[in-house]
Amino acid sequence: DTEVTQTPKHLVMGMTNKKSLKCEQHMGHRAMYWYKQKAKKPPELMFVYSYEKLSINESVPSRFSPECPNSSLLNLHLHALQPEDSALYLCASSQATANYGYTFGSGTRLTVV
Amino acid sequence: AQSVTQPDIHITVSEGASLELRCNYSYGATPYLFWYVQSPGQGLQLLLKYFSGDTLVQGIKGFEAEFKRSQSSFNLRKPSVHWSDAAEYFCAVGAYQAGTALIFGKGTTLSVSS
Repeated sequence: DTEVTQTPKHLVMGMTNKKSLKCEQHMGHRAMYWYKQKAKKPPELMFVYSYEKLSINESVPSRFSPECPNSSLLNLHLHALQPEDSALYLCASSQATANYGYTFGSGTRLTVV
Repeated sequence: AQSVTQPDIHITVSEGASLELRCNYSYGATPYLFWYVQSPGQGLQLLLKYFSGDTLVQGIKGFEAEFKRSQSSFNLRKPSVHWSDAAEYFCAVGAYQAGTALIFGKGTTLSVSS
């Protein structure tokens, strides 16, 4: 299995809702990442987990809450989002070293109404 | 500061013509360099990567890139473009250690004309 699987592919949520994005990989990668991408822009790093521990938090608002329950799974919990949070949310994973690149999922298209 | 510059925001190439997308980087340590492609609404697909050895690297879909340390460049090339190559292309730089974030350039939009 050489994929990063993200669910759901599309999500519409209201500003008072609570929802979660899920990311899964079975490649044995020990680093996992959340990126946010707005239209016509490059991905922006949100969080990095290394060996299931949060290692980087790029000053992301607390309405985004990451969780790494095990080495294969990464969640992003969403609460009280704003319309400007609408974007493509990409998950990625990498080996213990960067030699083999970063594998990206196909993303979750989030719309906040 | 670490950065990646893609000077061309949008390039249009005729089908069958050659392509070169430019990428310049600024990175304090030994860079790990990547090119990714993204079709509309899709995730990022790795085209190729460089971290050591031969400075000319081959990737998928007929793409290649050349690392030039003296010019801090990692330009992407393809000898003959196909209409299906129309997409957004991102150059990125990272470090050796796991958990180090990729730094992306702003991207180049490739259009292919018939």
